[in-house]
This record gives sequence, structure tokens and C-alpha cells, in this order.
Amino acid sequence: ETGVTQTPRHLVMGMTNKKSLKCEQHLGHNAMYWYKQSAKKPLELMFVYSLEERVENNSVPSRFSPECPNSSHLFLHLHTLQPEDSALYLCASSQGAGRGGNEQFFGPGTRLTVL
Amino acid sequence: GQNIDQPTEMTATEGAIVQINCTYQTSGFNGLFWYQQHAGEAPTFLSYNVLDGLEEKGRFSSFLSRSKGYSYLLLKELQMKDSASYLCAVLDSNYQLIWGAGTKLIIKP
Repeated sequence: ETGVTQTPRHLVMGMTNKKSLKCEQHLGHNAMYWYKQSAKKPLELMFVYSLEERVENNSVPSRFSPECPNSSHLFLHLHTLQPEDSALYLCASSQGAGRGGNEQFFGPGTRLTVL
Repeated sequence: GQNIDQPTEMTATEGAIVQINCTYQTSGFNGLFWYQQHAGEAPTFLSYNVLDGLEEKGRFSSFLSRSKGYSYLLLKELQMKDSASYLCAVLDSNYQLIWGAGTKLIIKP
């Protein structure tokens, strides 16, 4: 148990569906992240929020829309996804957005399958 | 471009020692992390190196050479539970984490 929870753990959706992934951290951290993890590929950073403001958006398609209502919660809204978006989506949090040796604590991930 | 290289897969025997290498080419360097990820679970932090040398933490040690762009993770007295993927990540000059694809370690009895 890392102090970061994600729901749902598994999600199957069609290309026309709209769904949301939820992340919650109980560690008092001020930075939160969304990553995409595909088989045998490096973790891809999608979004970073520091103090509830987005500070990073690595050319992620607009069909992924993040929301950070407060420092403990992070959402990833999904719409009109493609089959290649099928992957494990990981949420992480840290104290400070990557500064120094501040390790990131990861949630268990949401396994997303797009049909 | 920025690049992190580590072997895709390694196999070792229970009770033995294994060294997982990581080489990197990044724009700047602000430290190197090692994470462990069991199948279907979250990555968990193992170590952070920012200065050259060896950091020991129980059965696990991590080494860094900044001049060579090289690190390794050393696992001693291997146990079956050490079967996992090991992820190397470098913090670049913009304090962005650049990740390797991970090394899948298989431990055999």
C-alpha cells in the first residue's frame, strides 16, 4: 500500500464511450502525475500537476483530459479513444514536482482496454 | 534525444547475485532512480543516486558514475520475491524523469 489509490483497476470501453479514471493520494503531497505504461516501453509522462496547476503536458492527444480539483485528487477523463490507447495508466504523487531526490509514489494503475 | 538503456530481461538463481545495468544520455542530470515493479502492481522506490559511488541498502545496492553515464543495481542473496521488473529513471536538467523500459528479472530455484 503506497498511499496512492486508483479506480477502477480495470476498464474496458468502446471507442465512442466516455469514462474517467480517478486517483487519490493520502500522503499530503503537492504534485501529482499521470503516466501511460505500455508493454516493453518506457513509462510515458502524460500530465503533471503541481499545487493543482498543470505544469506539464507532453503532447498528449486531446481525447485525454486531466482534472485536478485539489491536491489530493486527480482525474483523467477519456473520450473517443483508439485501440492503441490500451495500456496501464499509472498515477503518482510526490512532494515537489520532481525536484531533487523526491521519490514518486505510484498507485496500482488502471488497466484500460479499448475495443 | 534522451535515452535510457537497460537489458530487457535477465535470469538469475535463488541465492545468487545479479547486476542490472543502466546507461543514459540525457540533457543534464539531477539524479538517478531505481524502482521495482511486480507484475500487476505499482512501481515502488528502491534508490536514488546523485553523487558518484555506491549506495547500499540491505540486499540492494546502487552505483552511479556520472562521467560514464552509467548506473547499476546490485541484488544480493536473491529471493523468489525479487522476480520483478526494475526500472531506471534519470532526472534531467528540467527536473523531468526520463524512464528506461525496465529489466524483467526472473529468479529460478
